[in-house]
Amino acid sequence: AAGVIQSPRHLIKEKRETATLKCYPIPRHDTVYWYQQGPGQDPQFLISFYEKMQSDKGSIPDRFSAQQFSDYHSELNMSSLELGDSALYFCASSSGGKQFFGPGTRLTVL
Amino acid sequence: TQLLEQSPQFLSIQEGENLTVYCNSSSVFSSLQWYRQEPGEGPVLLVTVVTGGEVKKLKRLTFQFGDARKDSSLHITAAQPGDTGLYLCAGANKGGANNLFFGTGTRLTVIP
Repeated sequence: AAGVIQSPRHLIKEKRETATLKCYPIPRHDTVYWYQQGPGQDPQFLISFYEKMQSDKGSIPDRFSAQQFSDYHSELNMSSLELGDSALYFCASSSGGKQFFGPGTRLTVL
Repeated sequence: TQLLEQSPQFLSIQEGENLTVYCNSSSVFSSLQWYRQEPGEGPVLLVTVVTGGEVKKLKRLTFQFGDARKDSSLHITAAQPGDTGLYLCAGANKGGANNLFFGTGTRLTVIP
């Protein structure tokens, strides 16, 4: 069965640079969620989209933005990167409740 | 504010033993999901419980949702080394957006 696809899997950036993370949900899933998981921490909800519209917002910094496109894939744009942004970023997709997570993008900010 | 507290935080047991992980909150959730996560990988959904008092079984794993939909437990019978991992409970809010609030996690190690 198709799963959530995230790219890239690993990303290394310098401070103050920008990064774009991509998420391709499971086919026919209409909702996408973004989570950030710091080292040794549980995932924290950032933002979600339903049918290409933002549906909820969590602890997402103002430096980050996201959108969902007409093909339902989503992108998380991160600007002015800080050392504290180093984390695993997960995308999850759902259709009707159960959320299925992607493998994550490990972002390292140097 | 941490909405979901899991206990124990760490658990190391011998193969064949039984164990129970608890997930407690003062908040009511519309549903609660249990995930297992391997290092560097995404959480893998194990089960979703929706109804208060609901019990679901997945092979040697038994999940229960509290009557008030504030807490849940995961019981593993005859643990195997392959059960080693991080177990996360996650509650969906009632607002309809369904974003998940994750618990603090329980890291289980099963020793052969």
